[in-house]
Amino acid sequence: DQQVKQNSPSLSVQEGRISILNCDYTNSMFDYFLWYKKYPAEGPTFLISISSIKDKNEDGRFTVFLNKSAKHLSLHIVPSQPGDSAVYFCAATKGGGSNYKLTFGKGTLLTVNP
Amino acid sequence: DVKVTQSSRYLVKRTGEKVFLECVQDMDHENMFWYRQDPGLGLRLIYFSYDVKMKEKGDIPEGYSVSREKKERFSLILESASTNQTSMYLCASRAAGNYGYTFGSGTRLTVV
Repeated sequence: DQQVKQNSPSLSVQEGRISILNCDYTNSMFDYFLWYKKYPAEGPTFLISISSIKDKNEDGRFTVFLNKSAKHLSLHIVPSQPGDSAVYFCAATKGGGSNYKLTFGKGTLLTVNP
Repeated sequence: DVKVTQSSRYLVKRTGEKVFLECVQDMDHENMFWYRQDPGLGLRLIYFSYDVKMKEKGDIPEGYSVSREKKERFSLILESASTNQTSMYLCASRAAGNYGYTFGSGTRLTVV
């Protein structure tokens, strides 16, 4: 049972435009969400996160929105740059404490065309 | 700069071989994880460890084992490599109480 879903395997946008990557989750116990970015032949790197007590978190060109009632989050990149071309993974977790693990979606390949 | 180091970037092994993938972190993190990444399947958790000598099965542990004798090192072992274990293997670590992982650069394993 896939608890974190990224239904778009790929997305292509023009440089300078907005990129919107979507993520849905099924486990209502999830209370913290993260986005990771991965280039080929490299490990994923942390991009931005959001707690379930918030509905928006912004960091420079990157904004994550959380809609708890819809169990949906999205990552907005404005403006998109060619260097943003990568696979983006949505991840979620529940609870705090010292021992937990992230559940990842399958990823969305973003291509930003010059 | 904190680091998670995977000993090999690329490996080619033969079917039936015993394969060791090594991961070392220099951040004194308690938790360590092994994932594999395959096209269309995303990141799947193989095993994780909350602390030294502790291990827990992830979602796809079959055909794998792990060892964590020291806090900084987490080894993934393929007992008898098979072609369906050809994949990108990613190690990650995390400090207890934090949310995010730090990943290594990955090991691309090909089993022939």
